[in-house]
Amino acid sequence: DAKTTQPPSMDCAEGRAANLPCNHSTISGNEYVYWYRQIHSQGPQYIIHGLKNNETNEMASLIITEDRKSSTLILPHATLRDTAVYYCIVRRGTYKYIFGTGTRLKVLA
Amino acid sequence: DAGITQSPRHKVTETGTPVTLRCHQTENHRYMYWYRQDPGHGLRLIHYSYGVKDTDKGEVSDGYSVSRSKTEDFLLTLESATSSQTSVYFCAISAMAGVGSYNEQFFGPGTRLTVL
Repeated sequence: DAKTTQPPSMDCAEGRAANLPCNHSTISGNEYVYWYRQIHSQGPQYIIHGLKNNETNEMASLIITEDRKSSTLILPHATLRDTAVYYCIVRRGTYKYIFGTGTRLKVLA
Repeated sequence: DAGITQSPRHKVTETGTPVTLRCHQTENHRYMYWYRQDPGHGLRLIHYSYGVKDTDKGEVSDGYSVSRSKTEDFLLTLESATSSQTSVYFCAISAMAGVGSYNEQFFGPGTRLTVL
């Protein structure tokens, strides 16, 4: 079953790029990688997803290694409002996400 | 934001009492999910539904049951609440599912349940 590993916490200076790594060495060929974040006690919020190619949207960029065993979420210009817990997720089976414990990102002024 | 509401938002109850949490969506999405979130565990899937009256167990389903009689409502029931079920419960919905398909889940605001 696909499982993810993330560092428990990271700090980033405001205005700098935040690079959040994720290891998913057991991912299957047709499983997407998703990133969500959770601010305070709110429900998790979708950020981005990818399969094989790098992806970019208005919130972030997702870099997936060629062997798909790891990925990096990039917040290009972190702000204080980006302080949150970030979850890297792959799907287990048909419907099940395995969230893990995520990375607590603290953006410093 | 996706139209997902949860009720109640906060509840305190006593051990042994039944509790029902409601998730309501206005998006007409087929798939609905219940998660619980506890310190040190992230979010864990309790039950999910892939259609009206179609439900299945997640990874932490013991002590919980669910029902879905309408597309828009997904109920989570604790038949006899225990202190170990004190948690924050999140409902989520998605339009699609299936390995290989894009499956963005939208989450509700959560219900904080305390069992004394």
